[in-house]
Amino acid sequence: GENVEQHPSTLSVQEGDSAVIKCTYSDSASNYFPWYKQELGKRPQLIIDIRSNVGEKKDQRIAVTLNKTAKHFSLHITETQPEDSAVYFCAAKPGFQKLVFGTGTRLLVSP
Amino acid sequence: SAVISQKPSRDICQRGTSLTIQCQVDSQVTMMFWYRQQPGQSLTLIATANQGSEATYESGFVIDKFPISRPNLTFSTLTVSNMSPEDSSIYLCSVALSSYEQYFGPGTRLTVT
Repeated sequence: GENVEQHPSTLSVQEGDSAVIKCTYSDSASNYFPWYKQELGKRPQLIIDIRSNVGEKKDQRIAVTLNKTAKHFSLHITETQPEDSAVYFCAAKPGFQKLVFGTGTRLLVSP
Repeated sequence: SAVISQKPSRDICQRGTSLTIQCQVDSQVTMMFWYRQQPGQSLTLIATANQGSEATYESGFVIDKFPISRPNLTFSTLTVSNMSPEDSSIYLCSVALSSYEQYFGPGTRLTVT
């Protein structure tokens, strides 16, 4: 089955810096790659996603890139702000099968 | 997205008892899921709740321990049976509005003493 690895497990940046979180997947049938942000005590929130027919997608300060050949995808956050501090989860979905989540990255943005 | 609610939001239960968690969505959805999230961990799928048929359980989860109901396209329940302290966790329901996007409820924080 699908396996998703996520790195780093923790990431500390200064406010205004960029942050990059990387994930790799194993199943070449995966065609959907969402990213979730989970603030402390809150539900995971879908913040951006990408489908396999697209290489990059941007939404204001966040962007996701996908390299199908290498089977990896990344979340890029520019001009980080303290409110970006949270745990971020990547996931991959092979066809109509279940979402498989990464292990999460704790992002800390210091003022 | 959809408005997803869960009841209760939290509970403290004694070992050996059962708790039923409810999940309500404001629109009809085909796919509903139940997840468990241990503190500081990722999301683990317990089962997919199918309307009109038995739930589909993931490896390591069984119907006797986690019975699920899905009486219609907007509602599901998860029961955590014969609880032990190891069942202390956050339980989240989730819905898929399409073949892709999936959204989560606010979660139920369960503590078993």
